Amino acid sequence: QVTLKESGPGILQPSQTLSLTCTFSGFSLSTYGMGVGWIRQPSGKGLEWLANIWWDDDKYYNPSLKNRLTISKDTSNNQAFLKITNVDTADTATYYCARIGSILRVYLPNWFAYWGQGTLVTVSS
Amino acid sequence: DIQMTQSPASLSASLGETVTIECRASEDIYNGLAWYQQKPGKSPQLLIYNANSLHTGVPSRFSGSGSGTQYSLKINSLQSEDVASYFCQQYYNYPTFGGGTKLELK
Repeated sequence: QVTLKESGPGILQPSQTLSLTCTFSGFSLSTYGMGVGWIRQPSGKGLEWLANIWWDDDKYYNPSLKNRLTISKDTSNNQAFLKITNVDTADTATYYCARIGSILRVYLPNWFAYWGQGTLVTVSS
Repeated sequence: DIQMTQSPASLSASLGETVTIECRASEDIYNGLAWYQQKPGKSPQLLIYNANSLHTGVPSRFSGSGSGTQYSLKINSLQSEDVASYFCQQYYNYPTFGGGTKLELK
């Protein structure tokens, strides 16, 4: 059974760095072709893909946010991480991590087959 | 980036009715399309991938079709548990999502 769970600070102030953790089970990020992504959703609005990380540590970022994002992983502890620098109120959202749908689409954009429950992050002074 | 336009933004339907939601891409996405269902307060759940492949465990009343820039999600015999928002996502290029369709019961 594949499960993912996000954790984060809850609230942070503008200009700070947001650090998120995704802890997962039921699959391994050491498996060839495997990947995990981060997606966010402001309350009542649509979804925005942020970044993916692959089994071999290759990374793929949303071009519009690339200079603020850093994705990483700890394969031995089944975790993936996302950092967003210099946050502002526009970064207020629920942040989801998700496992990619197909390990056959190596390095290619992918659908997301399994999602975590999400963690709400509020940026406020 | 590839823009995804969903329609309608909201719709109201009766139990047992057939519902269709459309998604249009700003360029050809070669069937690189997924559909998700999101219930209030919950995370999105995958329904369809590769435009027409049903994800494991998804009821067969859900189906996807389309090609090129035009895709659709059909729900046959609407059930009360289908009340949710639905999103499309393309993955021909870096992933982008449609704005969503909120489905309510009439």
